[in-house]
Amino acid sequence: DTGVSQNPRHKITKRGQNVTFRCDPISEHNRLYWYRQTLGQGPEFLTYFQNEAQLEKSRLLSDRFSAERPKGSFSTLEIQRTEQGDSAMYLCASSLGQGMMNTEAFFGQGTRLTVV
Amino acid sequence: AQKITQTQPGMFVQEKEAVTLDCTYDTSDPSYGLFWYKQPSSGEMIFLIYQGSYDQQNATEGRYSLNFQKARKSANLVISASQLGDSAMYFCAMIQRQAGTALIFGKGTTLSVSS
Repeated sequence: DTGVSQNPRHKITKRGQNVTFRCDPISEHNRLYWYRQTLGQGPEFLTYFQNEAQLEKSRLLSDRFSAERPKGSFSTLEIQRTEQGDSAMYLCASSLGQGMMNTEAFFGQGTRLTVV
Repeated sequence: AQKITQTQPGMFVQEKEAVTLDCTYDTSDPSYGLFWYKQPSSGEMIFLIYQGSYDQQNATEGRYSLNFQKARKSANLVISASQLGDSAMYFCAMIQRQAGTALIFGKGTTLSVSS
């Protein structure tokens, strides 16, 4: 296992189109996170899964965004009707968690979305 | 309210010198963890070091050490003997027990190491 893998690395889409990103976490990690990072800013939390259950969603996650982790392994993040403001780096991270605390989260290399 | 504050947008240091990157945090949760991540231009976030709120000793990992001052709510990262490969963006992050399991990040500090 070489770490957290994200596909695609880059995506350019026209405004109004739907896009889907995939994240494959480290295999034994039960927790998976999605973050969004805009230029010059730190990552902002979007949502979090423990196994297949989506346990937290940020206010940033509008109804155009949906995330799934159907079998508790890989996850997808879909953005419908993309807007130019959605242009950002989308980062996925995974960790091994017990109770309320985690080991460190390991991040993928991200998917850079450009909406034109 | 800003939970993690990194006041240095950019820092410049010469090779082999030590550098301190500042981080202050705000929480009323007695149980929390503090992390530092490095983000090179390639984009991936690389975990560097972790400090738990109940840890008595400052964390160290190779050339990285965390200067944890709980009363001041600061968790500064010290990089000893800087190398050219240390040039990157550095983020301080916090996880709070009561607030769930999501990491909250600061805005980052860009470190530039010159020869």
